[in-house]
Amino acid sequence: GAGVSQTPSNKVTEKGKYVELRCDPISGHTALYWYRQSLGQGPEFLIYFQGTGAADDSGLPNDRFFAVRPEGSVSTLKIQRTERGDSAVYLCASSPSSSPNTGELFFGEGSRLTVL
Amino acid sequence: GNSVTQMEGPVTLSEEAFLTINCTYTATGYPSLFWYVQYPGEGLQLLLKATKADDKGSNKGFEATYRKETTSFHLEKGSVQVSDSAVYFCALRKGGGFKTIFGAGTRLFVKA
Repeated sequence: GAGVSQTPSNKVTEKGKYVELRCDPISGHTALYWYRQSLGQGPEFLIYFQGTGAADDSGLPNDRFFAVRPEGSVSTLKIQRTERGDSAVYLCASSPSSSPNTGELFFGEGSRLTVL
Repeated sequence: GNSVTQMEGPVTLSEEAFLTINCTYTATGYPSLFWYVQYPGEGLQLLLKATKADDKGSNKGFEATYRKETTSFHLEKGSVQVSDSAVYFCALRKGGGFKTIFGAGTRLFVKA
């Protein structure tokens, strides 16, 4: 079956531009997560959706970052006025379980963002 | 706050050598613990997990035991293969929570 799909796989943009990154989770997975992974670091939590609503967006670094999931499936991470420090791999993960403790995360391959 | 600390890499081993990657955690309550692996060119995938103290997670010859007294979850394998070359991430999820917190990752190189 299809896994978590992320597009684009690579995005190069200029400082100050607007960027959208898309995540298509595994069909039927109600939970969706965005993480950011900088070089040599582990994934850093950004935001979590349960269905259509953002249950926790405490990891978003500032108000330039925003994410939506309007129909409870595909999600888009939006970054305004990009800065060089936003360069990283943005990972999306989904999970079928609403039971937090044992939930395995299923990751996509990530979208590598480079801000020049 | 909750955090995970794992040994720095890279770790370079010869094929059939014994592997240990250390992981310790800080958390309130009773978190679940995970090891994820990222093979070259692939997304992170779950390797094994343990949900309570003294549980042992195992998969593909890898093992890790949840040690609450030492707040550790060290990853071990008795005989590594070249195909085990990857980045390994230790992670925790706080009991009752949904946020998974990852360590910085440890890169493993296995030489033939």
